[in-house]
Amino acid sequence: NAGVTQTPKFRVLKTGQSMTLLCAQDMNHEYMYWYRQDPGMGLRLIHYSVGEGTTAKGEVPDGYNVSRLKKQNFLLGLESAAPSQTSVYFCASSTTGAGGYTFGSGTRLTVV
Amino acid sequence: SQQGEEDPQALSIQEGENATMNCSYKTSINNLQWYRQNSGRGLVHLILIRSNEREKHSGRLRVTLDTSKKSSSLLITASRAADTASYFCATDAPGTASKLTFGTGTRLQVTL
Repeated sequence: NAGVTQTPKFRVLKTGQSMTLLCAQDMNHEYMYWYRQDPGMGLRLIHYSVGEGTTAKGEVPDGYNVSRLKKQNFLLGLESAAPSQTSVYFCASSTTGAGGYTFGSGTRLTVV
Repeated sequence: SQQGEEDPQALSIQEGENATMNCSYKTSINNLQWYRQNSGRGLVHLILIRSNEREKHSGRLRVTLDTSKKSSSLLITASRAADTASYFCATDAPGTASKLTFGTGTRLQVTL
């Protein structure tokens, strides 16, 4: 099925550990985004990419890094996890210009 | 910071009734979009309305946009139990590389 695939779906980390979340899309979309969703706060943009090899900061980038080495993949890294990074992470993609996003099903991350 | 604010935060109606959700935003926009999120799932794009449009329909959905008041409304007619979900508005502002800023959402409960 075409769409956005996120792995893993669930993860528990200890404070200080690192991990990478993978987002893959098969729609040949140029733009990709990472959001986090916390209760009562909606979705907040972490980082985004407007094409292969490009990345840019969003609203809440601190503590995260990203890479877009291939057009279809957008990786989100946590170098040293903190309890404040406990959240649900969503990846999305879109074509260039104004249009709707296609979202992945999310990764639920708990940092203890 | 959140660009959009939905109102009400929660809405409970009976099947067959109409549901209206409102969204207010702060800055000028290219377009405004509405998304649905079922519990524990990713967001699904419902409808997009451009800044030069005033009303748009898609099936049982009707969206209006008033740029002078910086507000939008989503009307779901003849609601069904399957419409139970959270609904988010999102805005795309000029010069932001199509980044969407999401509101905090309206939780809709449709009972039989």
